[in-house]
Amino acid sequence: QPVLTQPPSVSGAPGQRVTISCTGSRSNIGAGYDVHWYQQLPGTAPKLLIYGNTNRPSGVPDRFSGSKSGTSASLAITGLQAEDEADYYCQSYDSSLSRVFGGGTKLTVL
Amino acid sequence: EVQLLESGGGLVQPGGSLRLSCAASGFTFSDYAMSWVRQAPGKGLEWVSGITGSGVSTYYTDSVKGRFTVSRDNSKNTLYLQMNSLRAEDTAVYYCAKDVSSSSSMDVWGQGTTVTVSS
Repeated sequence: QPVLTQPPSVSGAPGQRVTISCTGSRSNIGAGYDVHWYQQLPGTAPKLLIYGNTNRPSGVPDRFSGSKSGTSASLAITGLQAEDEADYYCQSYDSSLSRVFGGGTKLTVL
Repeated sequence: EVQLLESGGGLVQPGGSLRLSCAASGFTFSDYAMSWVRQAPGKGLEWVSGITGSGVSTYYTDSVKGRFTVSRDNSKNTLYLQMNSLRAEDTAVYYCAKDVSSSSSMDVWGQGTTVTVSS
């Protein structure tokens, strides 16, 4: 059972804005640990999308943004494009000395 | 170009052993902590193990403690995962990943190697 909770799926039409939530607890996100987001296209390795709650690695479009508040975090994608269809995972650190992932959210572009 | 290339996956019987390798290139390997992350068929990502740049400190998820051992050879720019007492639930694609300095995030991933535990 994943430590962080994400919705199994979200969807949106091209051009729309979607958000993906990630809920943790006082031992991980709520303890102040950063949240990171990964995009996994079908059949490929995960790619770092957002690190340190809000930061984008070089090359990631500014259509992707992250936020964090309390024991939760969110990934927002604006101007949805067909190539954004993928699985998205949040990740943080837990006081048990391990990294933890969310269960993943499948984004469908309608 | 920063690159990670895993190898060593395969089919193994329950109770068996396997050693995965991850060859790194394009960065100063010893400067970075490294991780192993796995993904069971049709499932999400699971962090398995981590090791500091020096190799002095290692970390494991509870389900593999006592069975898996992570190590590295900085002279060969290679990360390893020794997996013993394998179980069916260890079946997964195993990725090695480079940690971002001073962060728990991972910014470079290999293509993965598949481990299947079955009789």
